[in-house]
Amino acid sequence: GENVEQHPSTLSVQEGDSAVIKCTYSDSASNYFPWYKQELGKRPQLIIDIRSNVGEKKDQRIAVTLNKTAKHFSLHITETQPEDSAVYFCAASEYGNKLVFGAGTILRVKS
Amino acid sequence: DTAVSQTPKYLVTQMGNDKSIKCEQNLGHDTMYWYKQDSKKFLKIMFSYNNKELIINETVPNRFSPKSPDKAHLNLHINSLELGDSAVYFCASSQDPGRRGYTFGSGTRLTVV
Repeated sequence: GENVEQHPSTLSVQEGDSAVIKCTYSDSASNYFPWYKQELGKRPQLIIDIRSNVGEKKDQRIAVTLNKTAKHFSLHITETQPEDSAVYFCAASEYGNKLVFGAGTILRVKS
Repeated sequence: DTAVSQTPKYLVTQMGNDKSIKCEQNLGHDTMYWYKQDSKKFLKIMFSYNNKELIINETVPNRFSPKSPDKAHLNLHINSLELGDSAVYFCASSQDPGRRGYTFGSGTRLTVV
């Protein structure tokens, strides 16, 4: 089955700096890669996603890149703000009927 | 108007008890899930139903039994609760998980004492 690895497990950045979180997946048949943000005590919420026929997608300060050949995808957050502090999860769709999640990255933005 | 709602939000119970968590979605999605989030925040799938039919049943103890009376509801019953069952349980729904991802419920924090 699909296996998703996520790095780093924790990331501290200064406000205004960029943050990058990387994920790799094992199943070359996976074709959908969402990212979720989970604030403390809250539910995971979808922030951006990318499909395998696209190499990059951007939404304001966040962007996701996908390298299908290398089977890795990354989340980029620019001009980080304190409210970006949260746990971020990458995921890959297995067989089109479930998401397999990475272990999560705790992002701390220091002001 | 909450899209995916779970009850209760908090559940504290003693070892050996039986408890249920309920989930309802008003999004018209066909597929619903139960995920367990442990203390290290790892999200692990437990079950999935598509239109009342069980389609995913991961390696979960038999003490956990899902039930879907209709496609808008997915409940989770847990027998003989153990300390290791303490976690946050999230319900989620999706119309097309291969293209649109999930909408999660607010979670149920289960504490077994």
